[in-house]
Amino acid sequence: QKEVEQDPGPLSVPEGAIVSLNCTYSNSAFQYFMWYRQYSRKGPELLMYTYSSGNKEDGRFTAQVDKSSKYISLFIRDSQPSDSATYLCAMSSTGANSKLTFGKGITLSVRP
Amino acid sequence: GAVVSQHPSRVICKSGTSVKIECRSLDFQATTMFWYRQFPKQSLMLMATSNEGSKATYEQGVEKDKFLINHASLTLSTLTVTSAHPEDSSFYICSARDQQGDINEKLFFGSGTQLSVL
Repeated sequence: QKEVEQDPGPLSVPEGAIVSLNCTYSNSAFQYFMWYRQYSRKGPELLMYTYSSGNKEDGRFTAQVDKSSKYISLFIRDSQPSDSATYLCAMSSTGANSKLTFGKGITLSVRP
Repeated sequence: GAVVSQHPSRVICKSGTSVKIECRSLDFQATTMFWYRQFPKQSLMLMATSNEGSKATYEQGVEKDKFLINHASLTLSTLTVTSAHPEDSSFYICSARDQQGDINEKLFFGSGTQLSVL
């Protein structure tokens, strides 16, 4: 079993739809949970960052972490064509030398 | 936000040559930088962790003599792909950790380098 599993996609939705992206993980040491957005042939940019369980909202984006189920989600409300990109979940444990473990990423396309 | 500059963005080279990729943190100091490799439709795979002033730590399966990493200053790390072969063709991405901030929130990525070896 891989440490981080992410729905493979691709995912295509109409503009205005609510998008739900999910990842599961197996390493109970993970404490930090992140969502990155990556446009084609570019480096990832941090979208959402959460520590431990709970919800975090930032504009149209909401990140949820359920450590008991080892499950994280990113919700995008009122999706826009500009949201079309690859979304990667990433996680790490604590400690100065901790490293990020990424999911495979899911490519989202928002149709006008 | 902080900027990490990565050059070149694209390089095409002949088999057997060496290629150097630079990663610079432009407005912060980074004691730690990371080098990743990404194949199409695949996740970022960590190759090595680069610490300023010391030897890089390579992930299992990554040949340290083939992928030379130098982190000579707090703002610059380089990855040299030596004697490149077609199977080294990939998208290489660096990231830099701002030593002043949270270990994950203050991690910034370069824009990547597409290496094509003929």
